[in-house]
Amino acid sequence: SAVISQKPSRDICQRGTSLTIQCQVDSQVTMMFWYRQQPGQSLTLIATANQGSEATYESGFVIDKFPISRPNLTFSTLTVSNMSPEDSSIYLCSVDQGSEKLFFGSGTQLSVL
Amino acid sequence: GESVGLHLPTLSVQEGDNSIINCAYSNSASDYFIWYKQESGKGPQFIIDIRSNMDKRQGQRVTVLLNKTVKHLSLQIAATQPGDSAVYFCAETSGSGYSTLTFGKGTMLLVSP
Repeated sequence: SAVISQKPSRDICQRGTSLTIQCQVDSQVTMMFWYRQQPGQSLTLIATANQGSEATYESGFVIDKFPISRPNLTFSTLTVSNMSPEDSSIYLCSVDQGSEKLFFGSGTQLSVL
Repeated sequence: GESVGLHLPTLSVQEGDNSIINCAYSNSASDYFIWYKQESGKGPQFIIDIRSNMDKRQGQRVTVLLNKTVKHLSLQIAATQPGDSAVYFCAETSGSGYSTLTFGKGTMLLVSP
């Protein structure tokens, strides 16, 4: 399985600021995804990070709030913009290596004060 | 959309016992099911999967059972160890892309030595 490195692993941010989360995979992957896991909750898909084109967002998530980059087949970033306490969550990068099994990074624990 | 849910939010067992974690799903079109394990501070880790043309699949110390008649999925862990303590998520999809991959709310498994 792919090794997925995500950073930062955690951060505490002030309201109104933005945080960019990086996801690096040790091999080229076609599909990369960003998930949110709110406290005590399950995983919700934010968007699919498409290489060379704009990300595909799920209902309830917009590009202005969660801009995503995917410059190549091994790297993606997710920015959480203009943060509020409601954005406090774990953000997870995941990849599919073509087997329909999603593999996840260790996540970024974000706390917004 | 249709939901995937778990019967028990917390399961406490003694080391060496067998554990059974249950999951109900409501989408009759679901044809692929996955179990994930999430340890504290880590991302979800793939455990085992099963397709709808199977009733049972075994891995190392784990078995997944699928009952399509009652839309029920279970994960059995044999000889449970303290290292099995984690939150376990079921997920299901109808195979129409990752937008349809739905995660359950999770069950916390606590293993006492």
